[in-house]
Amino acid sequence: DTGVSQDPRHKITKRGQNVTFRCDPISEHNRLYWYRQTLGQGPEFLTYFQNEAQLEKSRLLSDRFSAERPKGSFSTLEIQRTEQGDSAMYLCASSLDLGRVTSAQYFGPGTRLLVL
Amino acid sequence: DQQVKQNSPSLSVQEGRISILNCDYTNSMFDYFLWYKKYPAEGPTFLISISSIKDKNEDGRFTVFLNKSAKHLSLHIVPSQPGDSAVYFCAASRPFTSGSARQLTFGSGTQLTVLP
Repeated sequence: DTGVSQDPRHKITKRGQNVTFRCDPISEHNRLYWYRQTLGQGPEFLTYFQNEAQLEKSRLLSDRFSAERPKGSFSTLEIQRTEQGDSAMYLCASSLDLGRVTSAQYFGPGTRLLVL
Repeated sequence: DQQVKQNSPSLSVQEGRISILNCDYTNSMFDYFLWYKKYPAEGPTFLISISSIKDKNEDGRFTVFLNKSAKHLSLHIVPSQPGDSAVYFCAASRPFTSGSARQLTFGSGTQLTVLP
C-alpha cells in the first residue's frame, strides 16, 4: 500500500498526559500537512511542512502542540499536557509540489484521540 | 466565521437518480476547489477538483460546477449508486502567504445516502 499511513489509529489517554502521533506520507511527496477534525465538522488545518521545514502554523496549534519532520520523510505530532478539548481525529495529508495549482492533498486514515 | 459552507447536513437519493451536493464560499482569494469523499473510519479521499478559470469539470459519473459570481459550487453524481453513500466534503484552496503551497478550507460535510 503506497498511500498515507498514520499510527496509531486510536489513542485513549488521561488528561495531562503527553501523546505522539506518526504520519508516513506518500513516498515521493514533499509536502506534509496536519489537520484536526471534530464531530460534525470538516478537517481544520493545523500546520504544514515543505520537506523538513515547517512553513505554516494555524492559530489552532497552541504551545502544547509540536510537529516535526526531521528528515523530510515521516512526521510526528506531539500534544503535551492533553486536555479533553484535544479529543478529535488528527489527519495527515501529503502532496507533491509540481509548481502547479492543481496539486491535490491525499489523506491518511487518521488517529482518533480520546482524552478522558 | 465559516468561509466554506455546506448547508445540507444530509441528502437521500434513490439509486440511479442524480445526487446534487452544494457548497458556498465567501473568500474571493479561493481559486481552486475540491471535493472529497469520506467513509467511516477512513480519511477523506480526493474525488474531483476544479480551477476557478473553469466552470465545469467532468470525471465519469462525477461533475463539478463552479459559479464564481455566486461563489457557489456543486457536485453532481449521475447515476447515483449505493456505494456512493458517504460524507462529501467541499474544500476551497488558496496559496499560503509563505510560499506556493495551498491551504485547504473545508466545509462541514454532507452525508449522502443512496437508497437501493
